[in-house]
Amino acid sequence: DQQVKQNSPSLSVQEGRISILNCDYTNSMFDYFLWYKKYPAEGPTFLISISSIKDKNEDGRFTVFLNKSAKHLSLHIVPSQPGDSAVYFCAARGIQTGANNLFFGTGTRLTVIP
Amino acid sequence: DGGITQSPKYLFRKEGQNVTLSCEQNLNHDAMYWYRQDPGQGLRLIYYSQIVNDFQKGDIAEGYSVSREKKESFPLTVTSAQKNPTAFYLCASSISGRDYGYTFGSGTRLTVV
Repeated sequence: DQQVKQNSPSLSVQEGRISILNCDYTNSMFDYFLWYKKYPAEGPTFLISISSIKDKNEDGRFTVFLNKSAKHLSLHIVPSQPGDSAVYFCAARGIQTGANNLFFGTGTRLTVIP
Repeated sequence: DGGITQSPKYLFRKEGQNVTLSCEQNLNHDAMYWYRQDPGQGLRLIYYSQIVNDFQKGDIAEGYSVSREKKESFPLTVTSAQKNPTAFYLCASSISGRDYGYTFGSGTRLTVV
């Protein structure tokens, strides 16, 4: 059962516009959320994270919003650049004794059109 | 520079042969993980290890085996029992703390013919 879901497999955005990537989760015990960016044939790299005690975290062009009541988070990229074209994975971690596991979504492929 | 190294980047094996994928990290991380990526499936956890000489099955451990004899190393063996071994395999490591994410290797693409 997929506990972290990214329902949009792909997204295309014009350069300079905003990209919004969405993620939903089902486990109310998740308390820490991360976004990873992945280029083809490479490992994912950490992008930005947010704790459940916050509803927003910003790092340069990247902002993550968390809506706990809706079990939804989103990643905003403003302005979008061609180098942002990649697959973005949402991940979540829960309160699990003795474990340190991240649950990943299926990813959204972002294409930024020059 | 500290990092996590997976080798080889591409690996071809005949059906029925066991194959071992290497994962080495010099980040002094306690925890290490193996994930498998298939198209449209995201990242699925195969095995993880929180400390040396201990490891746990993930969601899709059948047909795989691991060892953790050293903190730096977490090799994954894909056995002949794995029904669909062709995939992109990712190794990751992390500090065993609450607020840290993973550092990933660059992956190994295994093709079984």
